[in-house]
Amino acid sequence: EADIYQTPRYLVIGTGKKITLECSQTMGHDKMYWYQQDPGMELHLIHYSYGVNSTEKGDLSSESTVSRIRTEHFPLTLESARPSHTSQYLCASRGQSYNEQFFGPGTRLTVL
Amino acid sequence: GEDVEQSLFLSVREGDSSVINCTYTDSSSTYLYWYKQEPGAGLQLLTYIFSNMDMKQDQRLTVLLNKKDKHLSLRIADTQTGDSAIYFCAEGPKAGTALIFGKGTTLSVSS
Repeated sequence: EADIYQTPRYLVIGTGKKITLECSQTMGHDKMYWYQQDPGMELHLIHYSYGVNSTEKGDLSSESTVSRIRTEHFPLTLESARPSHTSQYLCASRGQSYNEQFFGPGTRLTVL
Repeated sequence: GEDVEQSLFLSVREGDSSVINCTYTDSSSTYLYWYKQEPGAGLQLLTYIFSNMDMKQDQRLTVLLNKKDKHLSLRIADTQTGDSAIYFCAEGPKAGTALIFGKGTTLSVSS
């Protein structure tokens, strides 16, 4: 079982609020990822990191930002949430045995 | 470009076998993967296959890989209602990149 955690699991907030979605892993993985996924739909890579102080934008343009100050922690921030940000956000890290990606349980964000 | 294609829906009866198909484009992929996603949850790695293998069996799951045709399949024997979920095929990775995921196949199992 993968040790990757996301908090909160569910978040309902009003438009214009600043929010941070937390992601932590205890496996010492260098590579971490954020995906956005609408219900029952495909995954869209929005950010990734190869290690501390390394962050890159993914395939899907996103108004969110990320930081990687510690190996185990990869938070995602929305400075001013809008209803269009309503979605599920999945965090993942990459293992070294078979290059598989381990996923957290996700944060379901609703912006009113 | 890189692409992973899957059929979107599959419906089977409990006890039957399910076969979910996937095609991919990157012949340099080292591993290919199957993930399962239950409602409201993250993705769970079900199984993977190394690119130089043709078949891998793990209990009720059988993965077949046709590297020539870039075709991957997942067979679930004796499908149960608990197998109802979205199944994602993924390929990769190239060095330093994320896995490439298909759009997912929704498996519906009726009793």
